[in-house]
Amino acid sequence: QKEVEQDPGPLSVPEGAIVSLNCTYSNSAFQYFMWYRQYSRKGPELLMYTYSSGNKEDGRFTAQVDKSSKYISLFIRDSQPSDSATYLCAQNTGNQFYFGTGTSLTVIP
Amino acid sequence: EAGVTQSPTHLIKTRGQQATLRCSPISGHTSVYWYQQALGLGLQFLLWYDEGEERNRGNFPPRFSGRQFPNYSSELNVNALELEDSALYLCASRKGGSGYTFGSGTRLTVV
Repeated sequence: QKEVEQDPGPLSVPEGAIVSLNCTYSNSAFQYFMWYRQYSRKGPELLMYTYSSGNKEDGRFTAQVDKSSKYISLFIRDSQPSDSATYLCAQNTGNQFYFGTGTSLTVIP
Repeated sequence: EAGVTQSPTHLIKTRGQQATLRCSPISGHTSVYWYQQALGLGLQFLLWYDEGEERNRGNFPPRFSGRQFPNYSSELNVNALELEDSALYLCASRKGGSGYTFGSGTRLTVV
């Protein structure tokens, strides 16, 4: 079992839709999670990080951690064509980050 | 502030050759991480250097090696290249407990 699992998609939504991206993790000892966005031919860029359970909001983006189900989610409200990218979740274990395989998102104008 | 820079952008090598990839971290960042991003496999951790020392290594064969220089820049060497080494190699730097800042990567193609 991989440390972090992520549905690769692809996911295609109309502009303005609410997008939900999800990951599961196996190691409960580490509760520091991140979401990265990667545009084509670019390196990943940090979108948000969360610690332990609960929600964190930043503009149109909300990151959520559910410790009981070992689930992490990223919600995008009012999605825009510029949000079209691959989204990667990651778990920080101290020595290294474990990444999901990424979910490809396309927002159609 | 300049970001993480990687060179070259693209590299084409023949099977069996050696490849050298370079990375310059953000100024003030002492830790450098190398990841391999192969199609469909996500980011796989390769190596972590901090203050010139190798601190951790991922599950890759010894022909993947590297080093960190006194100015904190880093080099990744891949010997005896195999076709499956074709991937995007990403370098990231970090300061303290912050998240990674990634470079744009080197696209290595082995033919």
